[in-house]
Amino acid sequence: DIQMTQSPSTLSASVGDRVTITCRASQTISSWLAWYQQKPGKAPKLLISKASTLESGVPSRFSGSGSGTEFTLTISSLQPDDFVTYYCQQYNSYPWTFGQGTKVEIK
Amino acid sequence: QVQLVQSGAEVKKPGASVKVSCKASGYTFTSYYMHWVRQAPGQGLEWMGKINPSGGTTSNAQKFQGRVTMTSDTSTTTVYMELSSLRSEDTAMYFCARDPSWQLRPLEHWGQGTLVTVSS
Repeated sequence: DIQMTQSPSTLSASVGDRVTITCRASQTISSWLAWYQQKPGKAPKLLISKASTLESGVPSRFSGSGSGTEFTLTISSLQPDDFVTYYCQQYNSYPWTFGQGTKVEIK
Repeated sequence: QVQLVQSGAEVKKPGASVKVSCKASGYTFTSYYMHWVRQAPGQGLEWMGKINPSGGTTSNAQKFQGRVTMTSDTSTTTVYMELSSLRSEDTAMYFCARDPSWQLRPLEHWGQGTLVTVSS
């Protein structure tokens, strides 16, 4: 199975900050990487597919980059609604696997 | 619009089975795989497996082999996930989510989740 490792596990930041979350795959997954946002008690919401393609309706302050084994999610200017948890997920091969999550907290 | 509506919360005893349903609407049911993902309280997301509603073929994570059964009913556009031999560690929110069968895509549409509690 492909292991997905996210860092950091928790990130403390302020409104307006630029933040970056990293996701590393244990083997190459080309660009078959997605990023999800999850609010408490809700289903995950797809933000980015194919490493860098912003899904329809997702604010442009979110961006993704990377390929192979190293990926990043950047939020250019944190908004109050963004202080939740983010997951990466590889869909290059089964079983699909997720990172352990990054919780973005208010500093 | 696309909707995935899951069945209600369940409380089960250890050793029992649970069957969760996910009713799909707003799209061509047989053109999308349906996946099941679970999330234990305070924990991350775990992919369990998927089913192709067109034909019923499944692919499950090794961890759940022998314990999970996924089925689909095209007449009611509903997929089911049955998990047997329940233990306390199976207490989790269970989500269904779809992806298109004709292209490689992640999970864009999700059900609202079904909480399964395993307790004696």
